[in-house]
Amino acid sequence: SQTIHQWPATLVQPVGSPLSLECTVEGTSNPNLYWYRQAAGRGLQLLFYSVGIGQISSEVPQNLSASRPQDRQFILSSKKLLLSDSGFYLCAWSSSDQPQHFGDGTRLSIL
Amino acid sequence: GQQLNQSPQSMFIQEGEDVSMNCTSSSIFNTWLWYKQDPGEGPVLLIALYKAGELTSNGRLTAQFGITRKDSFLNISASIPSDVGIYFCAGLRGSNYKLTFGKGTLLTVNP
Repeated sequence: SQTIHQWPATLVQPVGSPLSLECTVEGTSNPNLYWYRQAAGRGLQLLFYSVGIGQISSEVPQNLSASRPQDRQFILSSKKLLLSDSGFYLCAWSSSDQPQHFGDGTRLSIL
Repeated sequence: GQQLNQSPQSMFIQEGEDVSMNCTSSSIFNTWLWYKQDPGEGPVLLIALYKAGELTSNGRLTAQFGITRKDSFLNISASIPSDVGIYFCAGLRGSNYKLTFGKGTLLTVNP
C-alpha cells in the first residue's frame, strides 16, 4: 500500500532563515505531488504541484519554491523566511487511480 | 476561481445524533471527495464519489454525488465523540489535477 511521509512535524525558525521541508511517497510510481498551506481557520491553499520529476507548477506568487529531485520526493524551500510564512504545510499525492492523500503536515512557526 | 460552498460552517451536536453537511457549486465536477481532519494532522480521505447519483457508505458515513454534478452531501449517523473534527468536501474536474476545496465544517460532539 502507499504511504506518504512528511518531516519535520514541527519547526520553529527565525525570520530570514532558510527552509527545507521534505515529503516522500512510497508504494507508487510517478505520483502527482502537491504542497498546500493551511492557515488557522481551515482553508487549504494549493502552493505547488508536480506531475513528474523536475516539473513544478506554482499556484500563487510567494516567498517559497518547490523541487522534485526524484520521482517520489517533493521539497518545499525558502531562502529567507518571512513572518507570514508561518502555517501548517501539507504534502499530498495522487495517481491515475487514487485521489489525493495527505501527509501528517508540518507546523511551521516563524519568530 | 471556482468555489465550493460548504455548509454549515460549524455544528454542535449531542452524542448519538445524526449529522448532515453539504457542498454546492456553480460548476460541474467529475469527482467529489470528503475528508476529515483531526487537530494537528493532515486530512484523511473518507469517501470518494465518481458518478452522478452515486451513494456510498463507509461505516456510519454516507455520501452522495448529486445528480446535477454540482453538489454532494455527507451524513454521519449516531455520532460519537471521536467524530469531532473538520470535514472538507473537495471537487475535481476532468483531468485537472487540482482539487477545489470547501472551507470545512467544524463538528463538535458533546458526550
